[in-house]
Amino acid sequence: DTAVSQTPKYLVTQMGNDKSIKCEQNLGHDTMYWYKQDSKKFLKIMFSYNNKELIINETVPNRFSPKSPDKAHLNLHINSLELGDSAVYFCASSQLGYSTPYNEQFFGPGTRLTVL
Amino acid sequence: AQSVAQPEDQVNVAEGNPLTVKCTYSVSGNPYLFWYVQYPNRGLQFLLKYITGDNLVKGSYGFEAEFNKSQTSFHLKKPSALVSDSALYFCAVRLGIKAAGNKLTFGGGTRVLVKP
Repeated sequence: DTAVSQTPKYLVTQMGNDKSIKCEQNLGHDTMYWYKQDSKKFLKIMFSYNNKELIINETVPNRFSPKSPDKAHLNLHINSLELGDSAVYFCASSQLGYSTPYNEQFFGPGTRLTVL
Repeated sequence: AQSVAQPEDQVNVAEGNPLTVKCTYSVSGNPYLFWYVQYPNRGLQFLLKYITGDNLVKGSYGFEAEFNKSQTSFHLKKPSALVSDSALYFCAVRLGIKAAGNKLTFGGGTRVLVKP
């Protein structure tokens, strides 16, 4: 069974378009994340939701809007796509317990976004 | 603020030889440290973590890491490397208990190439 899944795996689109990436986890975790990995493999967190509440919101253009309909899902919508948005986007999840705050994150397979 | 440095972009090692991937960190407070591995076109997989206790941590696939507080380092080691260990390795740090949302800061990654 896939623990953290993302769709689509590949996304090729034109500049200016709007697109969404979906993420689902079946681990029963209460926290989900979006990361961006650029062409140099540098990995940076974008957003995190805990029990559907936004708890991490890094310096990301407001063209990026995460949405968490429930604890098991976290989607990423991107408006007016730009060339610089081309990257691999990873979803992750973990159990964020404040009494046990060191639980590792589990990552999805990634979505490779190419903006032409 | 927290940061992680992986000083080597690439490490080359012959199969059967010891493998070391270096990581140093900077964090205000007690660090929680993690190592992840990324195989080509895959998501990150958790290898091991240091939270507290014994400075030598053992993880998956025969990997271990040693926490050195005085040198602020958390180097990843494997006594005998395999060709299948060839991958991209990431060190990550998060701040202690009350850090918001399990925010991980990743190093830039080190590519490991194990030659037969």
